[in-house]
Amino acid sequence: ETGVTQTPRHLVMGMTNKKSLKCEQHLGHNAMYWYKQSAKKPLELMFVYNFKEQTENNSVPSRFSPECPNSSHLFLHLHTLQPEDSALYLCASSQDPGGYNSPLHFGNGTRLTVT
Amino acid sequence: GQQLNQSPQSMFIQEGEDVSMNCTSSSIFNTWLWYKQDPGEGPVLLIALYKAGELTSNGRLTAQFGITRKDSFLNISASIPSDVGIYFCAGHPNAGGTSYGKLTFGQGTILTVHP
Repeated sequence: ETGVTQTPRHLVMGMTNKKSLKCEQHLGHNAMYWYKQSAKKPLELMFVYNFKEQTENNSVPSRFSPECPNSSHLFLHLHTLQPEDSALYLCASSQDPGGYNSPLHFGNGTRLTVT
Repeated sequence: GQQLNQSPQSMFIQEGEDVSMNCTSSSIFNTWLWYKQDPGEGPVLLIALYKAGELTSNGRLTAQFGITRKDSFLNISASIPSDVGIYFCAGHPNAGGTSYGKLTFGQGTILTVHP
C-alpha cells in the first residue's frame, strides 16, 4: 500500500474516445503530480498542483487536461489521444512541492494503450 | 534541459553478486536520489543524498554523492531475487530538494537477478 491509489490500472482506448485517470492520496500531502513513463526514457513531469492550484504545465499537449478538485484527488482527462501517448501514467504526491526532505510518493500507475 | 546519463541500461547477474550502477550529469545537482521500481508498481525512494561526498547506506544498498556534484553511484551487495526491478537516479538543483518540477530523472537501469 503506497498511500497513493490510481485507477484504473489498465486502460485501452481508441483515438476518438474520452477517458479519465484518477488518483487519490491518503497521506495528507499538499502537492500532487502527473508523470509519463515511456520505455527506456526518463520519467517526464507533466503537471504539478500545489494546494489545488496548478503550478506547472510542462508543455503538455491540450489533449491531456488535468483537474485537481482538492488536495487529495487528481484527475487526468484524456481526449483524441495518439498512439504515441501509450505509456504508464504515474501519479505522485509530496508534503510540499519544494521543501527539504519532502520526497515524492508514487502510485502504481495506469498502463494506457491507445489504439 | 538538464539530463542524467544512467549506466548500465541493463544488468543480468547471479544471485549473491554485487551490483554497481551510476549516474552522470553535465550540470551540478545539490541533491541526488535513488528510486527502485518493482514490476507493475510505482517508484519507491531508496536513498536520498544531500551533501557532496556523502556515503549513505540502506541495508545492502549504499549510495554516494560524487565530490564534483555531477555524479552519483549505487551499489547493491549480495543481490537476491527480490532486487529485480528498475533503478532510477534523480537529481535536484536545490540542496535538500526532493520533489517539485525541478527533479530530473535518469532513464533507469533494469536489473535481472538469476537464482
